[in-house]
Amino acid sequence: GESVGLHLPTLSVQEGDNSIINCAYSNSASDYFIWYKQESGKGPQFIIDIRSNMDKRQGQRVTVLLNKTVKHLSLQIAATQPGDSAVYFCSRPGYALNFGKGTSLLVTP
Amino acid sequence: DAGVIQSPRHEVTEMGQEVTLRCKPISGHNSLFWYRQTMMRGLELLIYFNNNVPIDDSGMPEDRFSAKMPNASFSTLKIQPSEPRDSAVYFCASSLRASGTGELFFGEGSRLTVL
Repeated sequence: GESVGLHLPTLSVQEGDNSIINCAYSNSASDYFIWYKQESGKGPQFIIDIRSNMDKRQGQRVTVLLNKTVKHLSLQIAATQPGDSAVYFCSRPGYALNFGKGTSLLVTP
Repeated sequence: DAGVIQSPRHEVTEMGQEVTLRCKPISGHNSLFWYRQTMMRGLELLIYFNNNVPIDDSGMPEDRFSAKMPNASFSTLKIQPSEPRDSAVYFCASSLRASGTGELFFGEGSRLTVL
């Protein structure tokens, strides 16, 4: 079956640095990926998505890169702020509905 | 729109008691999902419904857990009898598209503590 997995359970970065959260997938037959952010005490929320006909998509301070050759995607956060501290999940709608543990991003001053 | 509404936000109960968690999805959404989040297992899918019909309940841990969706605007997750290992945060999510093929909108969660 399909699996989508984040590489690191925790990531600590200094405020102002860039953050990169990585995710790998196993099945090539897909066309859509979503990143969610879960702040403490809240449910996950959509932050950005990307379709497989794209290699890159940019939002406000966030960029998603999709490498279909190695089945890998990453979420890049520019100039990380304390408010970016959260758990991040990559998901593959319609293929893998379990989110797993995500990557916990901790922003230090 | 008010978003997905869950109740109660917090529940503390004793082992053996029945627990009922409630969810009101976003109006017009066709799919509803129940998730459980723990430190050990992360955010795992328990069951989901398309148009009020249960589609996949393979994530439901055991017969003590049951979920219903009597209409498009309401769902319940029931645990009877509850056990300490059921302590977790339970999330409900809804989606406009069927079978989780689109964005999921999550509620704030129901934190359950079973003593």
